[in-house]
Amino acid sequence: GENVEQHPSTLSVQEGDSAVIKCTYSDSASNYFPWYKQELGKGPQLIIDIRSNVGEKKDQRIAVTLNKTAKHFSLHITETQPEDSAVYFCAAKEGYGQNFVFGPGTRLSVLP
Amino acid sequence: DSGVTQTPKHLITATGQRVTLRCSPRSGDLSVYWYQQSLDQGLQFLIQYYNGEERAKGNILERFSAQQFPDLHSELNLSSLELGDSALYFCASSVGGGFTDTQYFGPGTRLTVL
Repeated sequence: GENVEQHPSTLSVQEGDSAVIKCTYSDSASNYFPWYKQELGKGPQLIIDIRSNVGEKKDQRIAVTLNKTAKHFSLHITETQPEDSAVYFCAAKEGYGQNFVFGPGTRLSVLP
Repeated sequence: DSGVTQTPKHLITATGQRVTLRCSPRSGDLSVYWYQQSLDQGLQFLIQYYNGEERAKGNILERFSAQQFPDLHSELNLSSLELGDSALYFCASSVGGGFTDTQYFGPGTRLTVL
């Protein structure tokens, strides 16, 4: 089955700097890769996603890149703000199976 | 507020017991997903229902079961509870039946098994 690794587990950046979180997956047939943001005491919230037929997707300060050959995808946040502080999860949907597997999460702290 | 409601917010019970968690999806959403979040296992997908039918199954234990009713609300039943079942249980909903539709998560039910 699918296995998703995520690095780093914690990340601290200065306000205004960029943050990058990377995930690797094992199932080469996986075809959908979302990123979720989870604030304290709340459920995860989808912030951006990418499908396997696309290499990059941007939404304002957030972008996701996908390298199918290397089986990794990354979240890029530019011009970080204190409200970006949260735990971020990547996930991958198995291509042939039914499972939807999450990475272990990255705790991002944006320091003012 | 995502529009997804979950009850109860907190649940404390003993080992060996059975509990039922309830989820009401956003108006118009046909899919309901159940997830477990624990310190040990992280976030895990359990099961998905679409318009009353089971659509996808993840890491759901045999002691756990779910269903979606004609009014589209869903219930997750957890039986023969163990200490390790203590976790946050999230429900999410989406319009369609595929995982590529945006899933909206509820606030979760915190289950504590003593």
